[in-house]
Amino acid sequence: QQQVKQSPQSLIVQKGGISIINCAYENTAFDYFPWYQQFPGKGPALLIAIRPDVSEKKEGRFTISFNKSAKQFSLHIMDSQPGDSATYFCAASAIGQAGTALIFGKGTTLSVSS
Amino acid sequence: DTAVSQTPKYLVTQMGNDKSIKCEQNLGHDTMYWYKQDSKKFLKIMFSYNNKELIINETVPNRFSPKSPDKAHLNLHINSLELGDSAVYFCASSQDLRGPATPNYGYTFGSGTRLTVV
Repeated sequence: QQQVKQSPQSLIVQKGGISIINCAYENTAFDYFPWYQQFPGKGPALLIAIRPDVSEKKEGRFTISFNKSAKQFSLHIMDSQPGDSATYFCAASAIGQAGTALIFGKGTTLSVSS
Repeated sequence: DTAVSQTPKYLVTQMGNDKSIKCEQNLGHDTMYWYKQDSKKFLKIMFSYNNKELIINETVPNRFSPKSPDKAHLNLHINSLELGDSAVYFCASSQDLRGPATPNYGYTFGSGTRLTVV
């Protein structure tokens, strides 16, 4: 119940294309869904996050779509650029619930070809 | 100034040795974490401290002992290192879980410590 399942494991997209990464969760207590971006040799960095009271959040070229009934959320990267090549992690947690922490998906390695 | 800093960045040591990794955050956060990232890049929570109090201790061997002298520091001591301990260890911090989540709520990660046990 604590798992967050992420797909695909790897993704190759042409420059200017749309990258889509999907995640699914089971625990209905989760109420915070962030996406992290990690470059080689660096720590994960928060990219964008959503709470379950909205179905979509957009920040620049990055959009989270959230489907509460299906317990799924996804990251869309519009106009993908070579600089977006990195590993992306979805995560989930129950904010305010003692004894919890972010549970991460297994990551998606994105390569944007020029 | 680095928000979450870890030292050392690289650690190569022999099996059986004892080693420590240090972490400091200057964000004023109340909660700190240790995550382990394995060779397949999977990030798994190990420990969490809130205001120096241990609140999460996942199924981690008791060779791993976290210590939080104050809310800005969380160190990780590992006894009797084994080959399987080789991984990248990340420290992270976040604001108090018991407070309301502000729009910019999130975990801030350090740059990691790559531990290699030979």
